[in-house]
Amino acid sequence: AQSVTQLDSQVPVFEEAPVELRCNYSSSVSVYLFWYVQYPNQGLQLLLKYLSGSTLVESINGFEAEFNKSQTSFHLRKPSVHISDTAEYFCAVSGGNYGGSQGNLIFGKGTKLSVKP
Amino acid sequence: DGGITQSPKYLFRKEGQNVTLSCEQNLNHDAMYWYRQDPGQGLRLIYYSQIVNDFQKGDIAEGYSVSREKKESFPLTVTSAQKNPTAFYLCASSKSNQPQHFGDGTRLSIL
Repeated sequence: AQSVTQLDSQVPVFEEAPVELRCNYSSSVSVYLFWYVQYPNQGLQLLLKYLSGSTLVESINGFEAEFNKSQTSFHLRKPSVHISDTAEYFCAVSGGNYGGSQGNLIFGKGTKLSVKP
Repeated sequence: DGGITQSPKYLFRKEGQNVTLSCEQNLNHDAMYWYRQDPGQGLRLIYYSQIVNDFQKGDIAEGYSVSREKKESFPLTVTSAQKNPTAFYLCASSKSNQPQHFGDGTRLSIL
């Protein structure tokens, strides 16, 4: 069975510092990978996704994630964080028909990113 | 604007009472989902539906029920059989082979 591990439950960083949020999955078959962000008392917003092709994917607000098949990882990075990046970040995995009709999106337990001035 | 609307935003339940959480989408998505979120637990799937008049149990369906009479609507009932209902409930929808879009959630508490 597929599972998703987010190794850090909380990550405190100072503004303008780089950050990496780690995500590992366990699957012997091809998967699709997602990062979602959740601000307090809101739903989840899709940040970026890996479906196929280039292993480095980027979001519009400066985050990027790299799919590493040999290490079964999909870590999220940002070279310089802002106060507004403070939120909880969820890694999610799906196989087969990704994220959709088979309802098999599996989430990690989340990482709370806290950006301090 | 298209999106997913969950209501109410906050809901209180008395002991032994059933409550229903609303989820409506105008994105013309075929699939809809209900998740439960507890602190430090991530999201756990309660029920999902791929088409109208059909739905499947997720990982934690006990104590919950759903219906899918219309494509746009997927209400979730938290029954009195659910002994620990206090949580944040999230509804999502998607087109086939597309990422899920989420509503803003309903926070359910016990009086």
